[in-house]
Amino acid sequence: DAGITQSPRHKVTETGTPVTLRCHQTENHRYMYWYRQDPGHGLRLIHYSYGVKDTDKGEVSDGYSVSRSKTEDFLLTLESATSSQTSVYFCAIGPGLAGANEQFFGPGTRLTVL
Amino acid sequence: GENVEQHPSTLSVQEGDSAVIKCTYSDSASNYFPWYKQELGKGPQLIIDIRSNVGEKKDQRIAVTLNKTAKHFSLHITETQPEDSAVYFCAARINDMRFGAGTRLTVKP
Repeated sequence: DAGITQSPRHKVTETGTPVTLRCHQTENHRYMYWYRQDPGHGLRLIHYSYGVKDTDKGEVSDGYSVSRSKTEDFLLTLESATSSQTSVYFCAIGPGLAGANEQFFGPGTRLTVL
Repeated sequence: GENVEQHPSTLSVQEGDSAVIKCTYSDSASNYFPWYKQELGKGPQLIIDIRSNVGEKKDQRIAVTLNKTAKHFSLHITETQPEDSAVYFCAARINDMRFGAGTRLTVKP
């Protein structure tokens, strides 16, 4: 998985509780991404980061926030989890260099919100 | 924004046959088209990609073709093997990466 780890790998939580997912990379890539994967929707971008403390919204950002205080770590926070946020969450990394568009994915976190 | 449609949603082939998965995209400015393979319980793995200045790319049994005029691109897998069974995703990128909904390929021994 291209030097990417995600934690936890599985989590069950209750509606209204805060949840933080962590992505850690050892590739020193500039770009990091959070996606969610749901049946029939493929992968949809939540937020991404193009450097330490530099983040931007993706296609489905409502209800999520992110932080990146170090190059290697990108955190995704659900401030108050809802059942609609039950999903599999994937972190991805990419060099972000001109002409290099590749993204490499982590193993995923399965989140269930009851 | 970009919209990517992928067909078919499921595909079953006999071992040794070829498999073709097709995707269309909406924004002619898209310039990068990767294909990912996802096995059960794992993250998507990049298997091949093509850029908008290239019409075809091959890597052993896998090939991708791009028709910019028609705004569609296809994944071709020849001599399929049971280990090719997985879900395959196409994507198109301008700034953000937009993914198709996926194709579940089953290769029967």
